[in-house]
Amino acid sequence: AQSVSQHNHHVILSEAASLELGCNYSYGGTVNLFWYVQYPGQHLQLLLKYFSGDPLVKGIKGFEAEFIKSKFSFNLRKPSVQWSDTAEYFCAVTRRNAGNMLTFGGGTRLMVKP
Amino acid sequence: DADVTQTPRNRITKTGKRIMLECSQTKGHDRMYWYRQDPGLGLRLIYYSFDVKDINKGEISDGYSVSRQAQAKFSLSLESAIPNQTALYFCATSDSSVGTGVTQTRGNTGELFFGEGSRLTVL
Repeated sequence: AQSVSQHNHHVILSEAASLELGCNYSYGGTVNLFWYVQYPGQHLQLLLKYFSGDPLVKGIKGFEAEFIKSKFSFNLRKPSVQWSDTAEYFCAVTRRNAGNMLTFGGGTRLMVKP
Repeated sequence: DADVTQTPRNRITKTGKRIMLECSQTKGHDRMYWYRQDPGLGLRLIYYSFDVKDINKGEISDGYSVSRQAQAKFSLSLESAIPNQTALYFCATSDSSVGTGVTQTRGNTGELFFGEGSRLTVL
C-alpha cells in the first residue's frame, strides 16, 4: 500500500522566516506529486505539482518543492513566509496512470505570526 | 460561481438519521470523488466514480453509499449516521481525457479540483 508521511503536524513561524515542510512517500514506482493548501475555512487548492523533468518545481505565491527520488521525498519550501501563508498544507501522491488515485499525507498546520 | 458545488455546507444531525450530501460540477470532468477530512489524518477517499456507470469503494467506504445521477452530479449518503462520521467532507473532480499535447499538464494528471466542503456533525 502507498502511504504519504508529513512529519511536521504543526509549525509556527514568524514572518520572513524560511519554511520547509517535509513529505515522504512509500511507493517505489513512477509517481506524480502534489502540494495542496487549505486556507482557513476554504477548500483545498493546488499549490504546485511535479510530473517529470526538473525536480525543482515552482508553484504559486513563491512556493517551491524539490523531488528527490532517492529519498522518496517532495519537500515544500518558501524562503520568506508571510502572515497570509497561515494554512494547512497537504502533500499528495499518485502513481502515474493509476486513475488519479491521490493518497494524502496527514497535513501540516502552519501558523505565521505577524 | 464555484466549479464544484457542495450542499449543504453545514449540517448537524442525530445518530441514526439518514443524510445526503450533494455535489455538482460544471467543469465537464468525468471523474468524481468523495473524501472526508479529519484532523491529523489528512483526506481519506470514501468512494469514487470514473463515469456515470462506474462506482468504486475507496479506503473508508463502510457506512457510506453513493449515487452518480449524471456526469455532473455525485451524491454521498449516510444511511444511519453515527458520531464518528462527524467530519468535513469534500467532493472533488478530475479529468481523464488524454491530451495530444506534449506536457502532462493536459489530460490525466492526477490533479483534483475540490468543492468547498460540507461540515457534518452527528450528535
